[in-house]
Amino acid sequence: GQSLEQPSEVTAVEGAIVQINCTYQTSGFYGLSWYQQHDGGAPTFLSYNALDGLEETGRFSSFLSRSDSYGYLLLQELQMKDSASYFCAVTSGNTPLVFGKGTRLSVIA
Amino acid sequence: NAGVTQTPKFQVLKTGQSMTLQCAQDMNHEYMSWYRQDPGMGLRLIHYSVGAGITDQGEVPNGYNVSRSTTEDFPLRLLSAAPSQTSVYFCASNDRGQSVHSLHFGNGTRLTVT
Repeated sequence: GQSLEQPSEVTAVEGAIVQINCTYQTSGFYGLSWYQQHDGGAPTFLSYNALDGLEETGRFSSFLSRSDSYGYLLLQELQMKDSASYFCAVTSGNTPLVFGKGTRLSVIA
Repeated sequence: NAGVTQTPKFQVLKTGQSMTLQCAQDMNHEYMSWYRQDPGMGLRLIHYSVGAGITDQGEVPNGYNVSRSTTEDFPLRLLSAAPSQTSVYFCASNDRGQSVHSLHFGNGTRLTVT
């Protein structure tokens, strides 16, 4: 089967940097994705890592270590609007994504 | 483009009633899927389809049926609603190949079964 572990809650100060970790167990691993979901909204795609290393998209970066079955999402220059839930998800071939249970990020002033 | 459209947005059912949640996408995506989201449980896969005429079960398929007669539509049917099916339901579509990891979600259907 497939399983993902991520912290349930994280709190960080506006303007700071926060890292959300994700560890996974899966067969036929292709890549790790990250999604953002605001309260009452739909998940939206943020980033994807298929290879080891860091991918940067503006204030957001995502990292993958395939050998450690580990990845993280890094959010810099936190803004209040970044308060949301963040989900990691694994891709295994052409089967649908399997999601973690999500990390609720609260950004405080 | 409208993207992924789900209807209705809200629904209240009595136990034992049946209904169909509609999902349509206009991006010509081959893959479509249904997830349910419950507090603290993340997104769990119900059923999915890799193309018209092809469907398969996900993690939590019991009590639900799907069909995929066209590329655009992927309805989810609740056969006999139960309180345990109270949830938020999301339909998603994605393309094959390099974009297979990038799901496009509808705005969800909030279902309450009493």
